[in-house]
Amino acid sequence: GAVVSQHPSWVICKSGTSVKIECRSLDFQATTMFWYRQFPKQSLMLMATSNEGSKATYEQGVEKDKFLINHASLTLSTLTVTSAHPEDSSFYICSAWTSDSNQPQHFGDGTRLSIL
Amino acid sequence: GEDVEQSLFLSVREGDSSVINCTYTDSSSTYLYWYKQEPGAGLQLLTYIFSNMDMKQDQRLTVLLNKKDKHLSLRIADTQTGDSAIYFCAEIPMDTGRRALTFGSGTRLQVQP
Repeated sequence: GAVVSQHPSWVICKSGTSVKIECRSLDFQATTMFWYRQFPKQSLMLMATSNEGSKATYEQGVEKDKFLINHASLTLSTLTVTSAHPEDSSFYICSAWTSDSNQPQHFGDGTRLSIL
Repeated sequence: GEDVEQSLFLSVREGDSSVINCTYTDSSSTYLYWYKQEPGAGLQLLTYIFSNMDMKQDQRLTVLLNKKDKHLSLRIADTQTGDSAIYFCAEIPMDTGRRALTFGSGTRLQVQP
């Protein structure tokens, strides 16, 4: 069964709205979670690394104020897309680090965000 | 730097073998991975190979690693229509101190009945 739950799976909203995406590890504690963004027919690009109890580490070119990450517990990280605009429409995928080199990350099923 | 490249598209007939290729630039990776992504879904780990291995076989999957050429391949035997998906190779470069995976560009496999 799924070990990382990502919610919602699909959201459509108007431009200017803020959208929160949740990523939960269901049966293990995840000190580190990752947020990826995937444009159509492209690869996954790491946006940020979320560390429990500390600030997230953002990749170059990712706006911290635009993509707010909170990792307040060992099982939950949230990504909030603030004042979303059509160019923010994308597929967002989270993953949780496992410390197992054979299976380094468990992935959520992704969130399709469509901004009208 | 980190750069992982794959061919974009592969089409095969059902029952044939598929070979998906990947080249990477960072030689410090201890493990290399293959992930499968079906439409609108997250990523599923298919298999992995430790960097000191040349080959690993897991049922219909065979992974070949050529460290000298930094080339990784995934062979799927007796390809089925359910294998149609995007396949990503990925690595975790050890010399960066990061835990995040670096993904290739992805290969879309289309299996024709």
